[in-house]
Amino acid sequence: QVQLQESGPGLVKPSQTLSLTCTVSGGSISSGVYYWNWIRQPAGKGLEWIGRFSTSGSTKYNPSLKSRVTISVDTSKNQFSLKLSSVTAADSAVYYCARESFGSNWSSFDYWGQGTLVTVSS
Amino acid sequence: SYELTQPPSVSVSPGQTASITCSGDKLGDKYASWYQRKPGQSPVLVIYQDTKRPSGIPERFSGSNSGNTATLTISGTQTMDEAGYYCQAWDSNTAIFGGGTKLTVL
Repeated sequence: QVQLQESGPGLVKPSQTLSLTCTVSGGSISSGVYYWNWIRQPAGKGLEWIGRFSTSGSTKYNPSLKSRVTISVDTSKNQFSLKLSSVTAADSAVYYCARESFGSNWSSFDYWGQGTLVTVSS
Repeated sequence: SYELTQPPSVSVSPGQTASITCSGDKLGDKYASWYQRKPGQSPVLVIYQDTKRPSGIPERFSGSNSGNTATLTISGTQTMDEAGYYCQAWDSNTAIFGGGTKLTVL
């Protein structure tokens, strides 16, 4: 069974870049049959999709974050990463990585990591 | 931008049927998914493609989607079903989540 695990600093200073990594086990991210996503949830608020990539080369970002987000992949380590620049307190959240299964005109997030809390504070 | 609206809270007695709605413009023209999130745990997919249950999800969970509203129905609700529930759909290549509904079983 596929498992995802987020890792990275739990505290980031304002204006700096948040960097997180998701390590995938139990399956290869290079298979091309899934998309790999980042999603976050600020305390007391709802879920917010950040973006996704596929190893076929397609990358999509939430328009509200697009100017600050980069998602990249390291297939040799079976990992993908998130970088969010110029962070503010509003970027404090639990960050999840998630696998997206899809069909011809549908998709859903079927496996999620346990989440990692990132706090933006000086 | 596209929005999905859910009631903040729903209460149900054990053994009864709980219905959680998700409203969005022409939502019925899109596929809806539903996620369950318990405190301290990551979200779990309970319904995808409007009506389908992933392996391991109990049959008491069902979904529908028509017009402007998708509905998650939990039949014979159990105390273990107390959780936050989030609907989700895609619009213009962007995943949109509803604000979430806290289901209380009492």
